[in-house]
Amino acid sequence: GAVVSQHPSWVICKSGTSVKIECRSLDFQATTMFWYRQFPKQSLMLMATSNEGSKATYEQGVEKDKFLINHASLTLSTLTVTSAHPEDSSFYICSASPIPQGNGGEQYFGPGTRLTVT
Amino acid sequence: EDKVVQSPLSLVVHEGDTVTLNCSYEVTNFRSLLWYKQEKKAPTFLFMLTSSGIEKKSGRLSSILDKKELFSILNITATQTGDSAVYLCAVGSNYQLIWGAGTKLIIKP
Repeated sequence: GAVVSQHPSWVICKSGTSVKIECRSLDFQATTMFWYRQFPKQSLMLMATSNEGSKATYEQGVEKDKFLINHASLTLSTLTVTSAHPEDSSFYICSASPIPQGNGGEQYFGPGTRLTVT
Repeated sequence: EDKVVQSPLSLVVHEGDTVTLNCSYEVTNFRSLLWYKQEKKAPTFLFMLTSSGIEKKSGRLSSILDKKELFSILNITATQTGDSAVYLCAVGSNYQLIWGAGTKLIIKP
């Protein structure tokens, strides 16, 4: 149980284009979903927290107009990287929790999406 | 400021050895401490600890939390090459997880 999928696994796009990454909880309802970014050999950096049906809460320093998050249903959240640039190349990971706001409980991670912007 | 510190940063041992990974924290509104294993992709959940002194076990892995001294340890006995990974510790507060930098564990055959 508690399976989270992400699509796509790997995407290469040209600079200036937008890329959408999907995160789905397959066998549970995810009240809260989290989006992380991870640089090589570094720990996870939380970008934003989203609750179904409401606006995402972004961490300090994360541009909300650049990283658009939509959590339209209890099983799907999307992250859109708008006008991507090479510095946006990274490993993006989502996680989902059945508990509101995570509340310190376990989060189940998707497999991650590697974004390369050329 | 909330923080989670893991030690050591990196560890190389031989197959069959026992290892202990450390995680100390200073977090307001502590709710839980979680251990994850990360290989090439996203982290996989290992344990969630909320109470002091109660050991959680899963096969060769075990973990315990000390809420008075604000730390947790993750033990791996009879290590195997498949245990090579980055082990991440995270502390849950009211609204988020605060992550440690991880311990990179390498098991040599």
